[in-house]
Amino acid sequence: GAGVSQTPSNKVTEKGKYVELRCDPISGHTALYWYRQSLGQGPEFLIYFQGTGAADDSGLPNDRFFAVRPEGSVSTLKIQRTERGDSAVYLCASSPGTSRFSTQYFGPGTRLTVL
Amino acid sequence: GENVGLHLPTLSVQEGDNSIINCAYSNSASDYFIWYKQESGKGPQFIIDIRSNMDKRQGQRVTVLLNKTVKHLSLQIAATQPGDSAVYFCAEIANDYKLSFGAGTTVTVRA
Repeated sequence: GAGVSQTPSNKVTEKGKYVELRCDPISGHTALYWYRQSLGQGPEFLIYFQGTGAADDSGLPNDRFFAVRPEGSVSTLKIQRTERGDSAVYLCASSPGTSRFSTQYFGPGTRLTVL
Repeated sequence: GENVGLHLPTLSVQEGDNSIINCAYSNSASDYFIWYKQESGKGPQFIIDIRSNMDKRQGQRVTVLLNKTVKHLSLQIAATQPGDSAVYFCAEIANDYKLSFGAGTTVTVRA
């Protein structure tokens, strides 16, 4: 079946611009996660949705970052006033249930480059 | 080759040999552990998981061992193949839903 998909695969923007990154989870998965991966490091948690609501946004680095999931399926990560330090691969994952032990399946990521 | 106990950022292994990748964790509250494989330009791919009430779990060509006493996790890959070349991450979850990833080990398989 189809896995998690993310668009765009690559995004190049200028410092100060606004960007939106999209995630399509596996169909039927209720939980959705955003992570950020810097070069040479493991992914770091940003935010977790269960259904439409953000259950945990403790990983968002500051108020320039915001994410939504209005219908409980597709999610958009929004970054305002981008900075060079925001350059990273943004990964989305989804899992099928409400259990903490549900496997998180990752998408291919969006590589964001802020010039 | 095998490297038991010590986390190394890179591991070079001969095709057909067994590999052991090590991971140390620090949070004693962690109760769920997962190994992911990440190939260049791709997202992490689930390999195998283990809960803290177990100390060993086997999959296809892979085995995960958990030693809670010393907070150590290992992934064993049997008969390593060229397609096993990738970065391997251990991840843990403690009382919530957030994956916390380790530093990663780059495995290179020599033909």
